[in-house]
Amino acid sequence: DGGITQSPKYLFRKEGQNVTLSCEQNLNHDAMYWYRQDPGQGLRLIYYSQIVNDFQKGDIAEGYSVSREKKESFPLTVTSAQKNPTAFYLCASSIDRGLVNQPQHFGDGTRLSIL
Amino acid sequence: GQQLNQSPQSMFIQEGEDVSMNCTSSSIFNTWLWYKQEPGEGPVLLIALYKAGELTSNGRLTAQFGITRKDSFLNISASIPSDVGIYFCAGRSGGSYIPTFGRGTSLIVHP
Repeated sequence: DGGITQSPKYLFRKEGQNVTLSCEQNLNHDAMYWYRQDPGQGLRLIYYSQIVNDFQKGDIAEGYSVSREKKESFPLTVTSAQKNPTAFYLCASSIDRGLVNQPQHFGDGTRLSIL
Repeated sequence: GQQLNQSPQSMFIQEGEDVSMNCTSSSIFNTWLWYKQEPGEGPVLLIALYKAGELTSNGRLTAQFGITRKDSFLNISASIPSDVGIYFCAGRSGGSYIPTFGRGTSLIVHP
């Protein structure tokens, strides 16, 4: 089945440690996104990528990094510079071939906690 | 930046009741999207609206794109326990494919 796969489902980070969240899609979507979700808040955009080897900062990019070496994959690294990383992280993808109105499809998220 | 106000923040209703929630924007949108998120999962697209005045249904769900293009509402008729979740609206303006999300409406349905 086509979809977006995020792994792991749960992740724990120690102080000073970088951790990487995986996002893979087999929908042949061009654009991919990372969002952070905190209780009672909407989705806040961390990074997004329209095409391979290109990505842009979102509203809360500090303390995070991404790469887009393959169309299918958009991993997110939460660095030690992110002082409050505990949150639910959502990856999304969408078609972006001049069809600007195509909705995003989401993965099932990764919950990151601090040890 | 764009502001998107979603209300109510939460709703506690009895099974069988109808539900209404809405989103208003400080600027014009070309697309309105409604998502549902269940605990521990990602949001799932319910309805997408692309034209001002458009009224679209998906089973017991009905959503409308406001005439002013600055608002949208979602109605759920005859609620059932599995309607429980957080409902998000999202809007996109012309020339941008990055949506702005509301803060969500948390719906709890008592049997």
